[in-house]
Amino acid sequence: GAVVSQHPSWVICKSGTSVKIECRSLDFQATTMFWYRQFPKQSLMLMATSNEGSKATYEQGVEKDKFLINHASLTLSTLTVTSAHPEDSSFYICSATGFGAGGVDEQFFGPGTRLTVL
Amino acid sequence: GQSLEQPSEVTAVEGAIVQINCTYQTSGFYGLSWYQQHDGGAPTFLSYNALDGLEETGRFSSFLSRSDSYGYLLLQELQMKDSASYFCAPTRDDKIIFGKGTRLHILP
Repeated sequence: GAVVSQHPSWVICKSGTSVKIECRSLDFQATTMFWYRQFPKQSLMLMATSNEGSKATYEQGVEKDKFLINHASLTLSTLTVTSAHPEDSSFYICSATGFGAGGVDEQFFGPGTRLTVL
Repeated sequence: GQSLEQPSEVTAVEGAIVQINCTYQTSGFYGLSWYQQHDGGAPTFLSYNALDGLEETGRFSSFLSRSDSYGYLLLQELQMKDSASYFCAPTRDDKIIFGKGTRLHILP
């Protein structure tokens, strides 16, 4: 099956700093990548959809200037949490679909990145 | 509007069968996916129904009734490793909407 990786798997940072999370599709070309956030024992909340080479589409209520998403290649998307604050502490998960790998109905998820902001 | 209902928790015995129901109201509905998520892990795809009826994949089956806006996930021959959260996830407009999930507890 298709494999998606994320880096780092966990990160601790100080309030006010920025953190970049990478999402890579390892064995397929990801035309679309999705970024989710999940708080403990809660559902996955879609933050944004990113298509390679174009600007990300953010869900209502998600600040695009705070959560910068770049999808510059068919195998890499990045999420940068700018000026992070403790309330941004969460589990961030990316997923991907693309050529030869699922579709809107079957997304392949990365292992997630646990962000803790002190 | 959008709504999604599934039980918050279900408990079953190892070896038994359990059904997790899901009702939804989703504009632009395409189909219904089910995902499994173990604690601390990422969701993994289980099944997808675009048409009415039952889809079977090994010990797991999923059912959809579009007219009733209803679906369920059926897990047979439960194993301890099936203890996880299960998310009902309608697909619309090229995106998946995740429900709050059902926490499945398996008793030995």
